[in-house]
Amino acid sequence: DAGITQSPRYKITETGRQVTLMCHQTWSHSYMFWYRQDLGHGLRLIYYSAAADITDKGEVPDGYVVSRSKTENFPLTLESATRSQTSVYFCASSEHQGQPQHFGDGTRLSIL
Amino acid sequence: AQTVTQSQPEMSVQEAETVTLSCTYDTSESDYYLFWYKQPPSRQMILVIRQEAYKQQNATENRFSVNFQKAAKSFSLKISDSQLGDAAMYFCAYRSPMGSGGSNYKLTFGKGTLLTVNP
Repeated sequence: DAGITQSPRYKITETGRQVTLMCHQTWSHSYMFWYRQDLGHGLRLIYYSAAADITDKGEVPDGYVVSRSKTENFPLTLESATRSQTSVYFCASSEHQGQPQHFGDGTRLSIL
Repeated sequence: AQTVTQSQPEMSVQEAETVTLSCTYDTSESDYYLFWYKQPPSRQMILVIRQEAYKQQNATENRFSVNFQKAAKSFSLKISDSQLGDAAMYFCAYRSPMGSGGSNYKLTFGKGTLLTVNP
């Protein structure tokens, strides 16, 4: 089915571990985004990408790395997880700037 | 930088009644986009309604409508004939206009309003 898929849906890991959250979209949208959702903060942008091989920092990029070798995939990596990165992570995509963003179902990440 | 404020952390409404959720924003731009997203307990982010700032007419989607007051920088959501399935967290979001480049086309979200629908 067409859409945007995030995996895993839930993840528990330990501080210092590397963890990668996956995001895959089937629409061939140019733009993709990673947000984190924390109580009292709403959603905040971590990184975004305007096209394959083009990525840039958002509002809260520290501790995260992204790549976009293919248009349909936009993985988010926490290179050395910290407890402050416990959050719900959302991936989103849009066809171009003027279009609404479509969201994946989110990944709940807990770092112990 | 743009900011979005939702001043009502929680709201409740009786089934079949009407409720209005408030949203104000701060921007120096003249053209932009505004959105309302719904997040039910399933955690999905579902687009409810969208408004382009250059359009004077308020957007409507079935039971959902907005009251867009550009001069006051206000963008409230009205839900008519509320249903139990409307219970969710609602987020107001702002987006800069096309062509503004950089991270300006990200969404800036308010902190959300939790809507409870009572049977």
